[in-house]
Amino acid sequence: GNSVTQMEGPVTLSEEAFLTINCTYTATGYPSLFWYVQYPGEGLQLLLKATKADDKGSNKGFEATYRKETTSFHLEKGSVQVSDSAVYFCALSDNTDKLIFGTGTRLQVFP
Amino acid sequence: GAGVSQSPSNKVTEKGKDVELRCDPISGHTALYWYRQSLGQGLEFLIYFQGNSAPDKSGLPSDRFSAERTGGSVSTLTIQRTQQEDSAVYLCASSVNWRNTEAFFGQGTRLTVV
Repeated sequence: GNSVTQMEGPVTLSEEAFLTINCTYTATGYPSLFWYVQYPGEGLQLLLKATKADDKGSNKGFEATYRKETTSFHLEKGSVQVSDSAVYFCALSDNTDKLIFGTGTRLQVFP
Repeated sequence: GAGVSQSPSNKVTEKGKDVELRCDPISGHTALYWYRQSLGQGLEFLIYFQGNSAPDKSGLPSDRFSAERTGGSVSTLTIQRTQQEDSAVYLCASSVNWRNTEAFFGQGTRLTVV
């Protein structure tokens, strides 16, 4: 079946460091891809999305490019801040509209 | 309301009791999802609805779990004869009926089985 695989955390970085969180997927057809974020004490919220191959989603300095050839949707940010500390979830929406999530990656940014 | 509303926000129950968790989706959202988030774990898919029908029930952990949705709106997740391993945060989300749109999440119900 369709699935999402994320790198395990926690990812620990100093402020202003470069961030990459890897995400790969398995799906039939052409899924839509998402990154959701869960800040401490808050509910999940959409960070960015991409709906077709080579699309780049971006928001709040984060970017991810839909790579069909490598079935990947890695999340990147050039300079992280302490306020980016959260759990990040990669997800896909398949042709049945079912939304499937990865296990999440905790990011900890220290001053 | 403006967002997805879940109730109760916290529930402590004794092992063996039945519990009902409620989700009020955003008005007009036809898709509704239930997930479970255990401590240190990711989001475990339980079930989703398109309108009142549930195309995929494959994520329900056992026959003690059931869910229904009426009027294309409110959904109830019922856990019968609760066990300690059922302790988790149960999340509900809704979205419009189109696969590339955003899912909006509620704050969740934290269930503790003692």
